[in-house]
Amino acid sequence: DAKTTQPTSMDCAEGRAANLPCNHSTISGNEYVYWYRQIHSQGPQYIIHGLKNNETNEMASLIITEDRKSSTLILPHATLRDTAVYYCIVRQKDGSEKLVFGKGTKLTVNP
Amino acid sequence: DTAVSQTPKYLVTQMGNDKSIKCEQNLGHDTMYWYKQDSKKFLKIMFSYNNKELIINETVPNRFSPKSPDKAHLNLHINSLELGDSAVYFCASSQALLAVLTGELFFGEGSRLTVL
Repeated sequence: DAKTTQPTSMDCAEGRAANLPCNHSTISGNEYVYWYRQIHSQGPQYIIHGLKNNETNEMASLIITEDRKSSTLILPHATLRDTAVYYCIVRQKDGSEKLVFGKGTKLTVNP
Repeated sequence: DTAVSQTPKYLVTQMGNDKSIKCEQNLGHDTMYWYKQDSKKFLKIMFSYNNKELIINETVPNRFSPKSPDKAHLNLHINSLELGDSAVYFCASSQALLAVLTGELFFGEGSRLTVL
């Protein structure tokens, strides 16, 4: 089972920042946090990942709290095309080579 | 060029039939995966191959048999199809095993299988 907790759904106005939270209170020191998204009828798409430090790329920023028990994905200027299900994933502690997808957050960007 | 391509995109078939879904990646990746997304939208891993070697085999009925003729291809063959097999099947690839290189997965567009 996924070890992350995300809100089921969120709304955001077009052009505003979308802040998607994720709780991962049982994360261990060597586990990474990954974010993926799935736009309707498409395959999941990698967004960003991090371990301890905040990360930024052309798609988003990832803010990880100092205790690493939670993180926030930030889409700085959301567009209608950012409407998707966003998955926060922690790579499993047992060393398995798989990413376990939870239910994710359905983000709807409104005009 | 599509990085991870799956065929067919849609497949409708009768219970009891045998069908295959093909996957190819042109990214030069070593590792390929099959994921299943059911009607409730849960995305679950089924298999993983690294350099043609089976690495992950989740609790999947043995009616499902992956085959990797080379590291650029991972096909999924399903025997004796059942109603519960109806789902979207996603192929994915990564540069290396995730434990070795915390890289990303590249997913295909999915193959929607409907069993009647």
